[in-house]
Amino acid sequence: GQQVMQIPQYQHVQEGEDFTTYCNSSTTLSNIQWYKQRPGGHPVFLIQLVKSGEVKKQKRLTFQFGEAKKNSSLHITATQTTDVGTYFCAGPRESNYQLIWGAGTKLIIKP
Amino acid sequence: ETGVTQTPRHLVMGMTNKKSLKCEQHLGHNAMYWYKQSAKKPLELMFVYSLEERVENNSVPSRFSPECPNSSHLFLHLHTLQPEDSALYLCASSQVVRAGYEQYFGPGTRLTVT
Repeated sequence: GQQVMQIPQYQHVQEGEDFTTYCNSSTTLSNIQWYKQRPGGHPVFLIQLVKSGEVKKQKRLTFQFGEAKKNSSLHITATQTTDVGTYFCAGPRESNYQLIWGAGTKLIIKP
Repeated sequence: ETGVTQTPRHLVMGMTNKKSLKCEQHLGHNAMYWYKQSAKKPLELMFVYSLEERVENNSVPSRFSPECPNSSHLFLHLHTLQPEDSALYLCASSQVVRAGYEQYFGPGTRLTVT
């Protein structure tokens, strides 16, 4: 069945280092969304990408949608403690009613 | 962020109890969702409602029973749950029931079944 896979599951970084999470779909997606969930919190929408090869930036966060619209990435430059949390990607099922969610990448800042 | 509210925030119930989770959205959205979030697993969509009509039921056991009396309110009625049902239950809403629209989540109900 249709799947969205996200890697890595965890990433430990020193504050100030960069962070990247990758999202891969088994099928072509019409769009992809990214969400962030802080520890003890709930998912919060970050951004949606729609076009092939699209790149969007939000301050230190850079989102990319692959040319084939089957993969996406989120890169954070110079991580800060406020970036801690789990980052999820989600893409639509072909039925269009549901989002299929990746398992998330947990960003952990080393003390 | 008070666009989507959920009560209670925490719930402990025995396997023979009956309880209900409540969700309310103040965003004027037409679609509402129930998700289950367990540790180390992707978000699992349980139910989808569009304008009070259930449009999706993802093979959820009958011990979970949703109710959507109007487009602003969503309930999840629970009865004879199992310990493996312990999880964070999240309610979400979106403008319309299409996956291209961002979803707004409530804070969740942390459910523990003993």
